Amino acid sequence: GAVVSQHPSWVICKSGTSVKIECRSLDFQATTMFWYRQFPKQSLMLMATSNEGSKATYEQGVEKDKFLINHASLTLSTLTVTSAHPEDSSFYICSAIGGKAEAFFGQGTRLTVV
Amino acid sequence: QKEVEQNSGPLSVPEGAIASLNCTYSDRGSQSFFWYRQYSGKSPELIMFIYSNGDKEDGRFTAQLNKASQYVSLLIRDSQPSDSATYLCAIFMEYGNKLVFGAGTILRVKS
Repeated sequence: GAVVSQHPSWVICKSGTSVKIECRSLDFQATTMFWYRQFPKQSLMLMATSNEGSKATYEQGVEKDKFLINHASLTLSTLTVTSAHPEDSSFYICSAIGGKAEAFFGQGTRLTVV
Repeated sequence: QKEVEQNSGPLSVPEGAIASLNCTYSDRGSQSFFWYRQYSGKSPELIMFIYSNGDKEDGRFTAQLNKASQYVSLLIRDSQPSDSATYLCAIFMEYGNKLVFGAGTILRVKS
């Protein structure tokens, strides 16, 4: 299958700081990228959908000013968690879709805010 | 009604048996359906996708889709202990152009 690389795989940051997570499609052009958050023993919750060159579409209840998404090219999307707080600690996963709506996932980023 | 619904389980089957996982969805316009497997602490990995009504087989896995009933299932034949994981049903919803997941079904295969 196609390869989606997510970086970093884990990060620990202090409360109040910002963290940037990158998601790259390595061998295909991703028309759409999704960002999910997963708390322990829960399912993936869609946070936002981003299309290259346009503003992300956020799901209800997700603060767009807190979770900044940039989809600058067909192979790169970034999620920045601004002013992180302990309750933002979670497993963040990106997914990229190419031509056939077949979604591939990055390795995930485990964020811990202390 | 949730957009994608799955029974959370756990579903326990003996080794060698058939495991049957089910999923229903709300958006009639959905065209693409996926099954993912997720091990604890890991990212989901794609098992199968299906677009057309009927069955699609790949090795020990068979996906079944019934758009009229808004129902998609995954059958795992000759279940192995290594199949023990959480299985996630995902629907690419035309409404909103987004990929939405069910809560997942925990499968336990006992040797």
